[in-house]
Amino acid sequence: EVPLLESGGGLVQSGGSLRLSCTASGFTFSSYAMSWVRQAPGKGLEWVSSISHTDDRTYYADAVKGRFTISRDNSKNTLYLQMNTLRDEDTAVYYCAKPRGGALRPPDYWGQGTLVAVS
Amino acid sequence: DIQMTQSPSSLSASVGDRITITCQASQDIRKYLIWYQQRPGKPPKLLITDASTLEVGVPSRFSGGGSGTDFTFTINSLQAEDYATYYCQQHDSFPLTFGGGTKVEMK
Repeated sequence: EVPLLESGGGLVQSGGSLRLSCTASGFTFSSYAMSWVRQAPGKGLEWVSSISHTDDRTYYADAVKGRFTISRDNSKNTLYLQMNTLRDEDTAVYYCAKPRGGALRPPDYWGQGTLVAVS
Repeated sequence: DIQMTQSPSSLSASVGDRITITCQASQDIRKYLIWYQQRPGKPPKLLITDASTLEVGVPSRFSGGGSGTDFTFTINSLQAEDYATYYCQQHDSFPLTFGGGTKVEMK
C-alpha cells in the first residue's frame, strides 16, 4: 500500500499554472501536518511548503511565496499545491511528505513524486 | 534562514570502509537534525532523527552525532547497498533547509 500518491504534474509553459494533489491512505490524514519538497533534475532537495493538520497555519519557502498555495481537504484525505506564475526554475520532481506529527517533525512517509516541467 | 553546509559533496569508498559526512548549521539548531538516504529515482529515506536516533529497521552500521551547529554521519563498514546520496536537514525552524548532499560512489 502506498501511503502517499502525488498527481497533477506535467509540462507547462513559463507563466502558467498547475495544481498538484497528494492522496493519502493508511493513516489518519487529518491528524498530521503535511509538506511539499521538490528536487530539480540532478540537484538536491528543497523544502517548498508545509501546512498544519487543521489548515490554519501554512509555511512557504521564499522562492515560492506569493506564487504557490498549499491547502488540504481532510474529508478527501488530499493535500494540494496550487502553483501559479511558474518559472523555469520550478522544474522539479515534487514530493509530498508526512511529518511525524507537527509540521516541523521529521517526515516518515514520502510519495514517489510527480514531475513538473516548465518550458 | 538557517544554512546547512554539508561536506564533502562526493566521496569514493570501497565496501568495508568507514565514511563520515559532516553537516554544519549556520546557527544553533539544538538536536533537530535529520539524515536521509536517497537512491536514484526514489524519494528520500529517513535514517536518523534528532541527530543520533536511528530509525527502526535501519542497520546499526549507520550512526549520527553532534548538537548545536556541528553534526556528523558515519557508515561503519560500507555495504554495496549504501552507495547513494545522503542529505542532512534541519527541522528546528522554518524555512526547513537541507544540506547540499553527499554522493557516495564506489571506489
